[in-house]
Amino acid sequence: SQKIEQNSEALNIQEGKTATLTCNYTNYSPAYLQWYRQDPGRGPVFLLLIRENEKEKRKERLKVTFDTTLKQSLFHITASQPADSATYLCAGDNAGNMLTFGGGTRLMVKP
Amino acid sequence: NAGVTQTPKFRILKIGQSMTLQCTQDMNHNYMYWYRQDPGMGLKLIYYSVGAGITDKGEVPNGYNVSRSTTEDFPLRLELAAPSQTSVYFCASRDRGDFGSYTFGSGTRLTVV
Repeated sequence: SQKIEQNSEALNIQEGKTATLTCNYTNYSPAYLQWYRQDPGRGPVFLLLIRENEKEKRKERLKVTFDTTLKQSLFHITASQPADSATYLCAGDNAGNMLTFGGGTRLMVKP
Repeated sequence: NAGVTQTPKFRILKIGQSMTLQCTQDMNHNYMYWYRQDPGMGLKLIYYSVGAGITDKGEVPNGYNVSRSTTEDFPLRLELAAPSQTSVYFCASRDRGDFGSYTFGSGTRLTVV
């Protein structure tokens, strides 16, 4: 079955460093991937979308890549801040009009 | 600009009881979705709708029902609640089926005891 997988272990980094989160997909080829941020007790909030024919997308301190050979997307936050601490979800389009979500990776940025 | 509104925010149900989770969006989006999120897990699709009068099952539809009589509203009905339905439920909408981003509600935390 189609799967989106993210590292379930929390990522702890120091303020100012670059955070890199990984998203792997198996058993299908999504036309695009989306990244969301989720804070405790809140719904996910859309951050970025990258299409399969795009290698890289940037938005302010955020950068996402899409490697169809490795079946992987990387999500980078440069100059990370404690306010970036949250869970980040990767999602890929599925057959039909819906997204399949990964389990999310919790990011903790320490001052 | 309210976006997607879910009610209630919290609810405790006894086994066998029923309830309806409400979801309303004011963005005139055609596509609406119900997901559940268990602790440490990803979002699993329960039901979705591509427009008023049209609904379809997602990955985990058993024990749930939906209706879509208007563009704005997409209620989720739980019949005969079971402890396995303890979860956080999120409603989402988007304006287009391809490449569109989701707008999520703030969720309903449901506990079945």
